[in-house]
Amino acid sequence: GAVVSQHPSRVICKSGTSVKIECRSLDFQATTMFWYRQFPKQSLMLMATSNEGSKATYEQGVEKDKFLINHASLTLSTLTVTSAHPEDSSFYICSANPQGGVLNTEAFFGQGTRLTVV
Amino acid sequence: DAKTTQPPSMDCAEGRAANLPCNHSTISGNEYVYWYRQIHSQGPQYIIHGLKNNETNEMASLIITEDRKSSTLILPHATLRDTAVYYCIVRKWNNNDMRFGAGTRLTVKP
Repeated sequence: GAVVSQHPSRVICKSGTSVKIECRSLDFQATTMFWYRQFPKQSLMLMATSNEGSKATYEQGVEKDKFLINHASLTLSTLTVTSAHPEDSSFYICSANPQGGVLNTEAFFGQGTRLTVV
Repeated sequence: DAKTTQPPSMDCAEGRAANLPCNHSTISGNEYVYWYRQIHSQGPQYIIHGLKNNETNEMASLIITEDRKSSTLILPHATLRDTAVYYCIVRKWNNNDMRFGAGTRLTVKP
């Protein structure tokens, strides 16, 4: 199956600093990628849809100025958590669908990034 | 996208079949049923999907009722490595995003 890679897998940062998480589709192009957040013992919650070449679409209740999304190419989307606080500590996961072809009906997920804000 | 209902947890003996139910009574004609699983601290892994016919692949079988209001994921010979949270998701054919419910925590026991 197609591969989506996230980097870093784990990050610890100080409160007030910003953290960037990368999501790459390694063997396919994706005009759209998705960012999720997962708190302990909870399900994945969709945060935003990252659109290549245009602004991201945020879910209700997600602060667009706090979670900056950039989708500069067909294989890379980045999520920047700005001015991070301890309550932003979570597991962040991205996903992408290949364009066209027989693979276009399933989403592939990255391995996730564990963010801890201290 | 239609909502899904799954039991919060299930146990299964190693080597036996694990049958995970999902209710999606409000599913519409152009919505697919997808199954993913998430092993602790990893990203979700695709298992199988279907529209109305039963499907089988190397990982599992998907049985969809004739009225499409429910489905069952079958892991034919569960192993300890199948312990995970299993998510049943209903998605329109032209939607790209996946929206997760609470899922079923399957514990495979020796």
